[in-house]
Amino acid sequence: DQQVKQNSPSLSVQEGRISILNCDYTNSMFDYFLWYKKYPAEGPTFLISISSIKDKNEDGRFTVFLNKSAKHLSLHIVPSQPGDSAVYFCAASEGNDMRFGAGTRLTVKP
Amino acid sequence: KAGVTQTPRYLIKTRGQQVTLSCSPISGHRSVSWYQQTPGQGLQFLFEYFSETQRNKGNFPGRFSGRQFSNSRSEMNVSTLELGDSALYLCASSSFTSPNEQFFGPGTRLTVL
Repeated sequence: DQQVKQNSPSLSVQEGRISILNCDYTNSMFDYFLWYKKYPAEGPTFLISISSIKDKNEDGRFTVFLNKSAKHLSLHIVPSQPGDSAVYFCAASEGNDMRFGAGTRLTVKP
Repeated sequence: KAGVTQTPRYLIKTRGQQVTLSCSPISGHRSVSWYQQTPGQGLQFLFEYFSETQRNKGNFPGRFSGRQFSNSRSEMNVSTLELGDSALYLCASSSFTSPNEQFFGPGTRLTVL
């Protein structure tokens, strides 16, 4: 059962524009949400996280938004850079149980 | 601090064989989780170990098993390999103080022929 879903397998944006990656979840008990970035031949690296008590967390060019009523989170990257091209996974956790989405491949074109 | 290391990086096996993958967490991290990554399926959770005890288990058949040693190093074993087991196997470690922030190793690419 896919408790965390990333419905867009790929996204292509122009350098300097905004990238918006979306993620939906079904388990209302999830209380912590994360985004990971993965380059080929490397393991995922932690990018940004948000607790369920917040609705927004910002770190430089990266902002994560959480809409608990819609069970939806999104990652905004502004401005997008070619080095941001990677696969992005969203994850949601309840205690020690962490579930990942299928990933969205972001391509930022120069 | 050294990152999470996994060995081997690449492995080719044939159907019916068994395989053991190894993961060394970041020093001081006592939690180790294992994931299977396949195209289109993302990261599927296999199991999580903490202090040599399995705390959590995903929906995988019993052919997939794991263990953790007293030094927090972990191994996962897959018996009677099937073609569908071909995947990237990732392990991640986390600290007691930040359990939600997992640090991943580079993965072991398993190909079953």
